[in-house]
Amino acid sequence: DAKTTQPNSMESNEEEPVHLPCNHSTISGTDYIHWYRQLPSQGPEYVIHGLTSNVNNRMASLAIAEDRKSSTLILHRATLRDAAVYYCILRGPSNFGNEKLTFGTGTRLTIIP
Amino acid sequence: GAVVSQHPSWVICKSGTSVKIECRSLDFQATTMFWYRQFPKQSLMLMATSNEGSKATYEQGVEKDKFLINHASLTLSTLTVTSAHPEDSSFYICSARKDRFNEKLFFGSGTQLSVL
Repeated sequence: DAKTTQPNSMESNEEEPVHLPCNHSTISGTDYIHWYRQLPSQGPEYVIHGLTSNVNNRMASLAIAEDRKSSTLILHRATLRDAAVYYCILRGPSNFGNEKLTFGTGTRLTIIP
Repeated sequence: GAVVSQHPSWVICKSGTSVKIECRSLDFQATTMFWYRQFPKQSLMLMATSNEGSKATYEQGVEKDKFLINHASLTLSTLTVTSAHPEDSSFYICSARKDRFNEKLFFGSGTQLSVL
């Protein structure tokens, strides 16, 4: 699996936007970019995923660089409940047998009240 | 949304005993489930892929005779930690996907195993 690089930790003030970066310079043309987050003492939770175009959902936005070598997860207005470890993961198309998700170390996001 | 239920949430056992952890997909059928292990302050490590009606596929370094996986139905996979020892104490997490064309994985809430 192609490797991703994320900062170990980040802090943000409550009610402000948060931009979580992820570098994936060895991404292949068919790799999807997935983001999951893990709250303390819980299993991970799906946040968003994309291939080439920017994506939005009710939780977050995903901005993907034109060369796809980096991406940014955007939380538009952070709340205390967004404090978690955020994982950026690359995976091939699921319908071609690439079902596994390999987690890296992620970014621990702290929200300051 | 899809829900994956994991039971128990936590378990304490004596060294040498076996512990079974259940993972159920509540509102969808999952032909494939995944089992992860997570030590404190570390990331999730994939242990094995559980396939309904067939043998599980274990990741390198994971002992298949120690971590028995059974996926007898489309909604239930179980992980049995046999002859548990203190070094097996960890947070065990299962996940499942609704179908092979669905990119999302749904995770259980995890099981904290403590072996005394």
